[in-house]
Amino acid sequence: GEDVEQSLFRSVREGDSSVINCTYTDSSSTYLYWYKQEPGAGLQLLTYIFSNMDMKQDQRLTVLLNKKDKHLSLRIADTQTGDSAIYFCAERKGHNAGNMLTFGGGTRLMVKP
Amino acid sequence: DVKVTQSSRYLVKRTGEKVFLECVQDMDHENMFWYRQDPGLGLRLIYFSYDVKMKEKGDIPEGYSVSREKKERFSLILESASTNQTSMYLCASTPRQRWSYNEQFFGPGTRLTVL
Repeated sequence: GEDVEQSLFRSVREGDSSVINCTYTDSSSTYLYWYKQEPGAGLQLLTYIFSNMDMKQDQRLTVLLNKKDKHLSLRIADTQTGDSAIYFCAERKGHNAGNMLTFGGGTRLMVKP
Repeated sequence: DVKVTQSSRYLVKRTGEKVFLECVQDMDHENMFWYRQDPGLGLRLIYFSYDVKMKEKGDIPEGYSVSREKKERFSLILESASTNQTSMYLCASTPRQRWSYNEQFFGPGTRLTVL
């Protein structure tokens, strides 16, 4: 997705915090999402944030949204080996009835024991 | 438990063959999508459908067509498969609600290899 960019790869040690970053270009984005893809599986919604929020916390996950810089991040606290997966950032433009999303290229997170 | 199923997990076809990929959802969702996933490129939208018999082109529709005869089923068709269509294909569905975060539910994917 040329409108949504992520780094390809990230490596952390088990127990550390990991941060995955994403930049998007469309200021009319209403919702921004983080999806997780485990090996051999489809994508699953991990969390989302509405565009009028700056931060959202859900257990070990913290999402930060900087609308001025069009920057979204996902922080995973106490990263576990089960968190190893590909993480996709996605944006939804406006309140389109088709609920279409634009996905980033995905960040592969590797958690080392 | 919500479910999106795809007809095959792995498929191997020859260049020039006609290929059908089937997707079925049991959540009575109006919207269905076909994506292809390639390393580093993320998910790219091929086609989507917002109702029975309705379809719209996504970002990369060339070489593909779709069919939605029933609400629960959305088919992706490769009229004449080519090697550059070797990829992972993912189907997704979501309800039509406009004013909601609307999760897209994904199938497990079909890994297609065209020889």
